[in-house]
Amino acid sequence: ILNVEQSPQSLHVQEGDSTNFTCSFPSSNFYALHWYRWETAKSPEALFVMTLNGDEKKKGRISATLNTKEGYSYLYIKGSQPEDSATYLCAFPETSGSRLTFGEGTQLTVNP
Amino acid sequence: DAGVIQSPRHEVTEMGQEVTLRCKPISGHNSLFWYRQTMMRGLELLIYFNNNVPIDDSGMPEDRFSAKMPNASFSTLKIQPSEPRDSAVYFCASSQWDSNEQFFGPGTRLTVL
Repeated sequence: ILNVEQSPQSLHVQEGDSTNFTCSFPSSNFYALHWYRWETAKSPEALFVMTLNGDEKKKGRISATLNTKEGYSYLYIKGSQPEDSATYLCAFPETSGSRLTFGEGTQLTVNP
Repeated sequence: DAGVIQSPRHEVTEMGQEVTLRCKPISGHNSLFWYRQTMMRGLELLIYFNNNVPIDDSGMPEDRFSAKMPNASFSTLKIQPSEPRDSAVYFCASSQWDSNEQFFGPGTRLTVL
């Protein structure tokens, strides 16, 4: 069983603040790291799939970095907006075609 | 593509009744996953299939739960008999074999009275 940890569990920020949170995963036998965004009453949506050490991906105000040697990924949100409020999940596959092990998520609330 | 399709979207039933949840994965995807979302345990994997074959069903809570994938475009999750503690949102997701990126359906909200 893989251990995927996310911190913090929850985060409250004001509109306009920038924020970041962490996903830790086993650094041995790395295959890929996934980030998902999960809004309340909706289904999880894929944000990024990261495969290479040093990868940096960006989608609008959201970006992510990857360090496979030390086993962590950061997700950054610049200038948070209320619509960014969601749970952000990271997930780690064991191999191609295998199950994803999900972290418990960071629940972000952006107050207007 | 319509994405992953799940039906019904909402199901309310009485304890002891049989419940069948349905999923149609994205065309061309050969991996299919059933998850359950609860307040206590977050998103938990129940079972997944590769090329219609069940690979890991260790997450299926009890013998009351069963899942089938008779062909590449259809899967069912059945609960018989249902109990109030089965109330949850059940998600189906699919992916391509070499991708791992999973696409989730809208979920079925099950309430067992």
